[in-house]
Amino acid sequence: DIVLTQSPLSLPVTPGEPASISCRASQSLLYSNGEEHLDWYVQKPGQSPQLLIYLGSYRASGVPDRFSGSGSGTDFTLKISRVEAEDVGVYYCMQALQAPFTFGPGTKVDIK
Amino acid sequence: QVYLQQSGPIVVRPSQSLSLTCNISGDSVSSYDAVWTWVRQSPSRGLEWLGRTYYRSRWHSDSALSLKSRPTVDPDTSKNQFRLQLKSVSPEDTAVYYCVKAWGSHGLDVWGQGTMVTVSA
Repeated sequence: DIVLTQSPLSLPVTPGEPASISCRASQSLLYSNGEEHLDWYVQKPGQSPQLLIYLGSYRASGVPDRFSGSGSGTDFTLKISRVEAEDVGVYYCMQALQAPFTFGPGTKVDIK
Repeated sequence: QVYLQQSGPIVVRPSQSLSLTCNISGDSVSSYDAVWTWVRQSPSRGLEWLGRTYYRSRWHSDSALSLKSRPTVDPDTSKNQFRLQLKSVSPEDTAVYYCVKAWGSHGLDVWGQGTMVTVSA
């Protein structure tokens, strides 16, 4: 199975400041058609996870443009350009290249 | 708008089998671009992908066969549902179970509200 690691695991942030989360895979997530099969999710307190970014860099419907995804191969990054209070939660990366799909351990984002 | 409706919390005895269903509204389980998936979450194991089913000229299913409880996922077209089955559960199968819809490779974009499953004697 593909193993995903995330860093940091805890990220205190100041509203209005940028934030960045790294996700590293144990093997390349590049598919033969050039797509990077890495998604990002956030789970806000008391809620089901929700999709933020798919295929490495595409924002899901309704996701604010302060969220962006980048990366290729085994190294990916989620960036929040200016953190807002509503962004607190746990952020997960997930590889969707091969079954069984696997998730990273999560990065807890909270307000300083 | 697609909604996935799950049942309330349940308790299962160790070594019994577990079956969960997910009711789909606003879409069809046979939809050509949809992938119907089960994910669970526990404090000790985090988020775990369990399996999926989807229709592409014929039905396809795959699952996380490395898990001891050997999950299987299959559709019920007559009820517009899909189902998760676990064999011979143990306390480590205690978790919140989510049914989820993906649109092709475009991420797990619709999640059910989750069902708390407790495995206890």
